[in-house]
Amino acid sequence: EPEVTQTPSHQVTQMGQEVILRCVPISNHLYFYWYRQILGQKVEFLVSFYNNEISEKSEIFDDQFSVERPDGSNFTLKIRSTKLEDSAMYFCASSDLLGPNYGYTFGSGTRLTVV
Amino acid sequence: EDKVVQSPLSLVVHEGDTVTLNCSYEVTNFRSLLWYKQEKKAPTFLFMLTSSGIEKKSGRLSSILDKKELFSILNITATQTGDSAVYLCARTQGAQKLVFGQGTRLTINP
Repeated sequence: EPEVTQTPSHQVTQMGQEVILRCVPISNHLYFYWYRQILGQKVEFLVSFYNNEISEKSEIFDDQFSVERPDGSNFTLKIRSTKLEDSAMYFCASSDLLGPNYGYTFGSGTRLTVV
Repeated sequence: EDKVVQSPLSLVVHEGDTVTLNCSYEVTNFRSLLWYKQEKKAPTFLFMLTSSGIEKKSGRLSSILDKKELFSILNITATQTGDSAVYLCARTQGAQKLVFGQGTRLTINP
């Protein structure tokens, strides 16, 4: 069964550093998403991406965050200057038609720890 | 943004028991309600419910949506230790995103 792959599985970074979280969506999917889950809290939507541009973003997704599809297979989330409160599990997801109404596959996540 | 509320937050039962997990929400104008199982990491898809009153089944799991009373339930019969996980309920918001509940942590003891 096709999978969404995320790397690394765990990243530790110092406060103020830039991090890039990487995702390889399912190959024929066109829509890409990032969610995060702070320990003990709900899974929260960050951003959706289609046709090389952001289609929707949440209040959490401020100027510190950016997303990119640098080539035909990768989808990345960059956090420019990490804060302690950015520590969370970050999930990438992809879908072949618009949004969760047509099926959504999550990756296994990257645990980001900011120290 | 309205809430999606799951109950109970935590549930411990013995293997073989039947459990019912609840999910309630506040808005009426959404397309789908989804259930996911989260073990160690990624939420894995269980059910998508779009129509009220139609039960979806997969083995020992079943789910139903009541759009009039604004809730959904997930039933698991003859529970096994492998059913231990966090179960997440989410509704769609617009075309782009999911709004999640806080999850129910289910523990099945042998």
